[in-house]
Amino acid sequence: DGGITQSPKYLFRKEGQNVTLSCEQNLNHDAMYWYRQDPGQGLRLIYYSQIVNDFQKGDIAEGYSVSREKKESFPLTVTSAQKNPTAFYLCASRRTVDTEAFFGQGTRLTVV
Amino acid sequence: KNEVEQSPQNLTAQEGEFITINCSYSVGISALHWLQQHPGGGIVSLFMLSSGKKKHGRLIATINIQEKHSSLHITASHPRDSAVYICAVNGPKLIFGTGTRLQVFP
Repeated sequence: DGGITQSPKYLFRKEGQNVTLSCEQNLNHDAMYWYRQDPGQGLRLIYYSQIVNDFQKGDIAEGYSVSREKKESFPLTVTSAQKNPTAFYLCASRRTVDTEAFFGQGTRLTVV
Repeated sequence: KNEVEQSPQNLTAQEGEFITINCSYSVGISALHWLQQHPGGGIVSLFMLSSGKKKHGRLIATINIQEKHSSLHITASHPRDSAVYICAVNGPKLIFGTGTRLQVFP
């Protein structure tokens, strides 16, 4: 089955530690996206990539980093520079800007 | 002003009622998604539409590209429909609305 997989579903980390969230898709999609959602808020764009080895900052990129070394993988690292990392993180992908988007199940990160 | 606006933000209903959630956007798009998010956070894609109307079970989605407006209707609502419903527009970026929290009571 084709799809987009995020792991883990729940993640706990101590303050000051970097943490990497996984997003993998086997849909042969060129474009991949990372979003953040805070309680009671909408999903905000962190980073996106429209092709391998290229990515752009979204609206709230500070404190985050990404890589796109393989078409199927777009990992997000939440660095210690991110002041409020506790949130729900969602990964999405689509073949092009005109085609249907697919969504992961999300990762809920809690930093204590 | 947000590029994608949803209304209402919160909605409560009695089981069996007809529900309408609205989404307006200000950017050019190729299509619009309606998504459902349950309390655990997981996202389920309900519809993607670029014109007209789509129906799946008790859910109906309509879009008017000229007016930049879409609606999601739920007929004969049920407590299991309780969730957050989100519209997302397909443009150069994928932009989400802030969501509508629906609670359906027995």
